[in-house]
Amino acid sequence: KAGVTQTPRYLIKTRGQQVTLSCSPISGHRSVSWYQQTPGQGLQFLFEYFSETQRNKGNFPGRFSGRQFSNSRSEMNVSTLELGDSALYLCASSFGQKLYMNTEAFFGQGTRLTVV
Amino acid sequence: GESVGLHLPTLSVQEGDNSIINCAYSNSASDYFIWYKQESGKGPQFIIDIRSNMDKRQGQRVTVLLNKTVKHLSLQIAATQPGDSAVYFCAENKAGGGNKLTFGTGTQLKVEL
Repeated sequence: KAGVTQTPRYLIKTRGQQVTLSCSPISGHRSVSWYQQTPGQGLQFLFEYFSETQRNKGNFPGRFSGRQFSNSRSEMNVSTLELGDSALYLCASSFGQKLYMNTEAFFGQGTRLTVV
Repeated sequence: GESVGLHLPTLSVQEGDNSIINCAYSNSASDYFIWYKQESGKGPQFIIDIRSNMDKRQGQRVTVLLNKTVKHLSLQIAATQPGDSAVYFCAENKAGGGNKLTFGTGTQLKVEL
């Protein structure tokens, strides 16, 4: 079956602009989580959605937002981009409400965002 | 200014040797742990997982050990191959934490021929 699909793979934006990233989870998965990966901070949790509801949120400014649609696809938006937002943004999908054996999280290839 | 990257610990092993990658986790409420492998330009790939009520779990060429007393995880890779070269992350998920994963800083594994 198809894996987690993130689009676009690469993006270059200018400071001050906004950007929307998309994630299509594995078919049947209802949970989507977003992570930011940078050389300076490693992998950091942004937020998690389950059945269209945000359940967890990481320690990021309000410029970072997301949503999930009824088909479980998710988008994240970053407004007023800053140079420090340059990162690999990863999406993970999982089946249930709690990670456990046989309900692990699967990651997409990520979207590489460069802010200039 | 120049950004300072995380200093990733590096483990260099000879092809065919066994590798042991260690990780200290942070939250005693964590009840589920995963090891991921990340190759350059790709997303993390699931390797093996373990529940907090287990001490050891084996997969194909990989074994994960969990020591809850000292909050320590290790990943053992048997007969390490060049294709195992990657960054390895441990991740923890806590009870009541939904599907949120907290990641360690990662270890770069280099396999020398």
